[in-house]
Amino acid sequence: EAGVTQSPTHLIKTRGQQATLRCSPISGHTSVYWYQQALGLGLQFLLWYDEGEERNRGNFPPRFSGRQFPNYSSELNVNALELEDSALYLCASGSSGRAGGETQYFGPGTRLLVL
Amino acid sequence: AQKITQTQPGMFVQEKEAVTLDCTYDTSDQSYGLFWYKQPSSGEMIFLIYQGSYDEQNATEGRYSLNFQKARKSANLVISASQLGDSAMYFCAMREDGGDDGLTFGKGTHLIIQP
Repeated sequence: EAGVTQSPTHLIKTRGQQATLRCSPISGHTSVYWYQQALGLGLQFLLWYDEGEERNRGNFPPRFSGRQFPNYSSELNVNALELEDSALYLCASGSSGRAGGETQYFGPGTRLLVL
Repeated sequence: AQKITQTQPGMFVQEKEAVTLDCTYDTSDQSYGLFWYKQPSSGEMIFLIYQGSYDEQNATEGRYSLNFQKARKSANLVISASQLGDSAMYFCAMREDGGDDGLTFGKGTHLIIQP
């Protein structure tokens, strides 16, 4: 069974540009989560999509946005890139249901570098 | 608000020894899940083990076991017979059933297994 996939693996952008990151969940999973892992800041929850809807977002500005498609894959868009957006962006998928009982499985991540 | 504390930034352990990675958590919810993930230098987060707050038995998965002490709000990961391939960052995480966020992660422990 295929795991969570993410593309691209690496992305280099300049300040002010837009970045688009993609994620395909494990087959049968309807929930997709996005996390940011920036140096010195640890892993922070960014966005949660389930059944095509945004369920919640973490403490990030509106220039971080995304969507979930009918096939449950997801896209994360970061507009007006800033240097501090440089980070590893991890996508995870889960099978929904009880929040505390849902194991999230992660993809390999996209390393975004903003110059 | 939920919080995870990992007090060991780094650990050196001899190969074949057992190792305990500490994790304490704080939550006002009675129903929640606790998770451990391994992150090698490649960046991917690998799910290791899950413990539900109402589970009476400590979780075990192969060489991994979770020492769950609910009254003390601790969920330590025990790795038996450590191997060189266990060298990685280890993250403790939790999620409340009543919450609508993603996982809350600790800052991690960098484990290095020495031959």
